[in-house]
Amino acid sequence: DVKVTQSSRYLVKRTGEKVFLECVQDMDHENMFWYRQDPGLGLRLIYFSYDVKMKEKGDIPEGYSVSREKKERFSLILESASTNQTSMYLCASSLPGTGVGNYGYTFGSGTRLTVV
Amino acid sequence: GNSVTQMEGPVTLSEEAFLTINCTYTATGYPSLFWYVQYPGEGLQLLLKATKADDKGSNKGFEATYRKETTSFHLEKGSVQVSDSAVYFCALSDRSQGAQKLVFGQGTRLTINP
Repeated sequence: DVKVTQSSRYLVKRTGEKVFLECVQDMDHENMFWYRQDPGLGLRLIYFSYDVKMKEKGDIPEGYSVSREKKERFSLILESASTNQTSMYLCASSLPGTGVGNYGYTFGSGTRLTVV
Repeated sequence: GNSVTQMEGPVTLSEEAFLTINCTYTATGYPSLFWYVQYPGEGLQLLLKATKADDKGSNKGFEATYRKETTSFHLEKGSVQVSDSAVYFCALSDRSQGAQKLVFGQGTRLTINP
């Protein structure tokens, strides 16, 4: 069964900590995405990547960075966690080009991050 | 630009009721359309899709028909169950623009009471 695996389901971190959220996919997908989900705001795109070592800002990149050193792994980094980054974080992957239109995204189970 | 508008929730129904969740879209090209479902505490799962006009996607008793003339992709189910309680997202991918991202609606929370 193909998968997108997020390393933690629940995470509690302190304000100011550097936080790493890891996402690994086993489908050989080129595209990977990070979203955050908050009540009433839907899904908001943070960063995405279409290839190894490539990254592009989404709609809300402030306070975040990403790393994609290998095709299967896409890491989201909170440089200095703040309470307003408490949220559900969702990773997704997809085939490139028309593959998105034909198959959509595959999502991970999400990481619920609480910053205290 | 491309956008997706879903009916606002929350939607509360009784078990065995008929369900419709409205979704309309704006796209400059020829989009594929998707419905995703998110069960409590989980990520999103693909529920069904349609890649061209007049296609009907179906899965788990849910159906949606791609209506180009009304730019709609409404989700329907004839008889809902308590286990259908979830958040439902409509999304589009506009292939003609070379886009490799999905555009999501805001989501509609559905609660089914026994």
